[in-house]
Amino acid sequence: EPEVTQTPSHQVTQMGQEVILRCVPISNHLYFYWYRQILGQKVEFLVSFYNNEISEKSEIFDDQFSVERPDGSNFTLKIRSTKLEDSAMYFCASSVRQNTEAFFGQGTRLTVV
Amino acid sequence: QQQVKQSPQSLIVQKGGISIINCAYENTAFDYFPWYQQFPGKGPALLIAIRPDVSEKKEGRFTISFNKSAKQFSLHIMDSQPGDSATYFCAASQGAQKLVFGQGTRLTINP
Repeated sequence: EPEVTQTPSHQVTQMGQEVILRCVPISNHLYFYWYRQILGQKVEFLVSFYNNEISEKSEIFDDQFSVERPDGSNFTLKIRSTKLEDSAMYFCASSVRQNTEAFFGQGTRLTVV
Repeated sequence: QQQVKQSPQSLIVQKGGISIINCAYENTAFDYFPWYQQFPGKGPALLIAIRPDVSEKKEGRFTISFNKSAKQFSLHIMDSQPGDSATYFCAASQGAQKLVFGQGTRLTINP
């Protein structure tokens, strides 16, 4: 069964450092998303991406965040200068087209120290 | 207006019982209402979803009931099993893109 793959599963980084979280969406999917979940809280939307551009972003997704699809398979989330409050589980998701179900990856646990 | 309110926060049900989780939304533009199941350390997995043109959808032991006028929807798990113990999230969106999640319900099924 096709699945969304995320690497690494856990990343520890120093405050102020840049991190890149990687995702391989399901191969025939065209819409890509990043969500985050702070420990014990709800899942929050960060950004959606289609046709090589951001289609929607939340208030959380400020100038410290960027997304990129550098090749035909990967979808990345970059945090330029991490803060302690960026510590969370980050989930990548993809859907085959608009208005269809999104499939989530296993997540990357980001710990900022 | 973008909020989805979910209750209860936690729920304990005996094996074989019915688990019921409720959600309410405010944005009448929402047209897609999925439920996700999440096990510890895993990503949310789609369980079942409904659109507002129907009032109920059933898949196996899982049923969504949808009340458009009250802006509420609920998940019923019939014959609950210990393997159903997980955190359940309701969500809502317009066009199934930007999902707005509820706070989650930690469900425990006692054997």
